[in-house]
Amino acid sequence: SYELTQPPSVSVSPGQTARITCSGDALPKKYAYWYQQKSGQAPVLVIYEDSTRPSGIPERFSGSSSGTMATLTISGAQVEDEADYYCFSGDSSGNHRVFGGGTKLTVL
Amino acid sequence: EVQLLESGGGLVQPGGSLRLSCAASGFTFSTSAMSWVRQAPGRGLEWVSGVSGGETTTFYADSVKGRFTISRDNSKNTLYLQMNSLRAEDTAVYYCAKGGGGNFYPSYWGQGTLVSVSS
Repeated sequence: SYELTQPPSVSVSPGQTARITCSGDALPKKYAYWYQQKSGQAPVLVIYEDSTRPSGIPERFSGSSSGTMATLTISGAQVEDEADYYCFSGDSSGNHRVFGGGTKLTVL
Repeated sequence: EVQLLESGGGLVQPGGSLRLSCAASGFTFSTSAMSWVRQAPGRGLEWVSGVSGGETTTFYADSVKGRFTISRDNSKNTLYLQMNSLRAEDTAVYYCAKGGGGNFYPSYWGQGTLVSVSS
């Protein structure tokens, strides 16, 4: 079955840049999507189609994709950005959609 | 404003069945792909199933294929998930999600409903 691989945790100080990666064999052909989930809450879409930010999402959130890796970048991370972040994409057949295992971002 | 309200969760014994519902409002339901996503306690997100706006296309995760059935009633703006042969590992919060841009990626999420499978 298809898998997306994320680091379990990333830690930065406030104001630093946080980068969260997501690797998958089909990413050269499939878009990546990114979700933020704060404790006890439903996930929120923060990046779609590799690099597009939905309305209402702060400009410090950006996304990119190259080869088999997609990256979520939070420039000038703030304490309120502490959350779990998940990437999402599909396999090359188009029959399966999967989430990455999630990355816990700590900002302190 | 997009609103998704799940219902139907609860405690069920292993081998039992449950049907989840998701009442949608604030968007054109009949043209939107919809999905179910679950999250086991303390675990990550797992995409479970998706259905196209016209119900012509459905997808299932391997872990639920043959046991779960996704459906929709566009006249009632409601999404369903029929879950049969439930197992302990199906215990999770189940989220209903609206697809974005005609695709299956979740763009808006409900608050979820808890399904517990235990004897």
